[in-house]
Amino acid sequence: QSVLTQPPSVSGAPGQRVTIPCTGSSSNIGAGYDVHWYQQLPGIGPKLLIYDTTNRPSGVPDRFSGSKSGTSAFLAITGLQAEDEADYFCQSYDITLSGSVFGGGTKLTVL
Amino acid sequence: QVQLVQSGAEVKKPGASVRVSCEASGYKFTDYYMHWVRQAPGQGFEWMGRINPKSGGFQYAQQFQGRVTMARDTSISIGYMELSSLTSDDTAVYYCAKGARELDPRGSFDPWGQGTLVMVSS
Repeated sequence: QSVLTQPPSVSGAPGQRVTIPCTGSSSNIGAGYDVHWYQQLPGIGPKLLIYDTTNRPSGVPDRFSGSKSGTSAFLAITGLQAEDEADYFCQSYDITLSGSVFGGGTKLTVL
Repeated sequence: QVQLVQSGAEVKKPGASVRVSCEASGYKFTDYYMHWVRQAPGQGFEWMGRINPKSGGFQYAQQFQGRVTMARDTSISIGYMELSSLTSDDTAVYYCAKGARELDPRGSFDPWGQGTLVMVSS
């Protein structure tokens, strides 16, 4: 049971926009800690997609964006492409646990 | 470039211990936490703990306390994670990852090592 909650799957057609939520609590996202997002392609280690809630590392397309509201964070992907089909994970810090916490991951299917 | 290279896959029997190494390059090893994360087959990520390479201080996730030991050798920029009393539930890919912020545990993880498969089977 992951500390952060994500839907197991989302889907969208090429060119569409999808949003992946990540819900936490008052001891992590709600406490003001940043949220980070990772993309994991099949059989490969994770790649940092969004850091510090809203920032993109160099090389990540601006089709990917992050936001936060209350105890939830959101990853938005616009202009869906077939290559975006992957698993997406959120991560934050939890003050009660004194450590990092992850979401269970969301599998994105591009229809 | 910043890179983390992990040791190879391991097969262990129940009750045994496993040690995974993670060699860092391309940055000042002692300035950033090294985190350890695992991913069981078909599952999400589970944070195991972190080590401060400068001081050797560590923080372990509660579910691993008493079973995990993290260490480092600053002379060769290598971190180690040892997990004992293995069961089949410990079968997973184990990753090391560099904390993105200088000695701040709240930052993202970037980059990650390539992962080390640990299989526990009798």
